[in-house]
Amino acid sequence: AQSVTQLDSHVSVSEGTPVLLRCNYSSSYSPSLFWYVQHPNKGLQLLLKYTSAATLVKGINGFEAEFKKSETSFHLTKPSAHMSDAAEYFCVVSSDSNYQLIWGAGTKLIIKP
Amino acid sequence: NAGVTQTPKFRILKIGQSMTLQCTQDMNHNYMYWYRQDPGMGLKLIYYSVGAGITDKGEVPNGYNVSRSTTEDFPLRLELAAPSQTSVYFCASSYVTSGGYTQYFGPGTRLTVL
Repeated sequence: AQSVTQLDSHVSVSEGTPVLLRCNYSSSYSPSLFWYVQHPNKGLQLLLKYTSAATLVKGINGFEAEFKKSETSFHLTKPSAHMSDAAEYFCVVSSDSNYQLIWGAGTKLIIKP
Repeated sequence: NAGVTQTPKFRILKIGQSMTLQCTQDMNHNYMYWYRQDPGMGLKLIYYSVGAGITDKGEVPNGYNVSRSTTEDFPLRLELAAPSQTSVYFCASSYVTSGGYTQYFGPGTRLTVL
């Protein structure tokens, strides 16, 4: 069975400093992996996705994630945080059937001025 | 394209009342999904559909029903609402290609059961 663990429920960084949001997954096959972002009281927006092509995936708004099979990780990074990045971020792994998605519990990113 | 639209945006129900959450997509996607998101949690799949006339249960189907008579519409029915169904409900749709699939989400419906 697939599962996904987001290692931090909250991450706080200062504006202009790097962001690292950690995600580990469990899957019995080569999964598709996604990061979604949810701004306060808003819907869900796809940041980026990995589907067995390049292991370093670039997304919108300067975010990127690296797929590391040996570590079963898919951490999200950004070189320099902006105030507008404050949101909840979800790491998601595809199910092995019926195109369902398995969601992590989310990491709340807080940006300090 | 409007994408995935949901109505209503907000609703307050009394215990035991029923209602239908509407979801429509105009992207001709075969796959559609209903999720609920409880405070501080990720999304839980309620029901999904792989095409018109075909639906199946997800992780948390109890207390809900769905139907899929057309490709575009995927309504979620709550019968006998309970406080445990207070949540934000998201509808999503997806297409499948050789490169995988991506789910597109509606704006959500915030439901409170009192």
